[in-house]
Amino acid sequence: DTAVSQTPKYLVTQMGNDKSIKCEQNLGHDTMYWYKQDSKKFLKIMFSYNNKELIINETVPNRFSPKSPDKAHLNLHINSLELGDSAVYFCASTDLTDTQYFGPGTRLTVL
Amino acid sequence: AQSVTQLGSHVSVSEGALVLLRCNYSSSVPPYLFWYVQYPNQGLQLLLKYTSAATLVKGINGFEAEFKKSETSFHLTKPSAHMSDAAEYFCAVSGANSKLTFGKGITLSVRP
Repeated sequence: DTAVSQTPKYLVTQMGNDKSIKCEQNLGHDTMYWYKQDSKKFLKIMFSYNNKELIINETVPNRFSPKSPDKAHLNLHINSLELGDSAVYFCASTDLTDTQYFGPGTRLTVL
Repeated sequence: AQSVTQLGSHVSVSEGALVLLRCNYSSSVPPYLFWYVQYPNQGLQLLLKYTSAATLVKGINGFEAEFKKSETSFHLTKPSAHMSDAAEYFCAVSGANSKLTFGKGITLSVRP
């Protein structure tokens, strides 16, 4: 019974395209996140939503737009993809002790 | 603001040897501290966490970490390494809005 799931697992696309990554959690948590992990494995937070409201928005290009239709879902839409967007994107949700539960990741490759 | 320092990028130990992965943190408030493990091509999995209760924290797979406020450290140890411990390990500190700040990670290799 998957706690945090992401689709797709792999995404290969051309520069300039628009793509979306979906995330769902069945843990009942109110807060969800998107992280970007670069080729050197460095993890950086991008966004956080609490019960459908944006609470953290790091310095991310506005080509990235998160959307939370309900507290169990947090999707990430990326416009006009660039080579530098190639990375692994992780979704996570957090419980009341700040413990974060991560999805399996989406490996985005921009050609 | 919070920050985490993990010195070095790679640690190699022999199977059965002690594992020691270092983590130092900076936090303007009493911290919650975490160690996560990432196996190849997988997401991050919580190993253990410190949330201001006992300073010696035991986690999964035989790992433990000790919170030392005077040294601002939260080093991860395991008495005897196993081949299956080979992975990437991340230390993290939480801040406002439950935001986690991660260290750059360290790769653990285990030699037979």
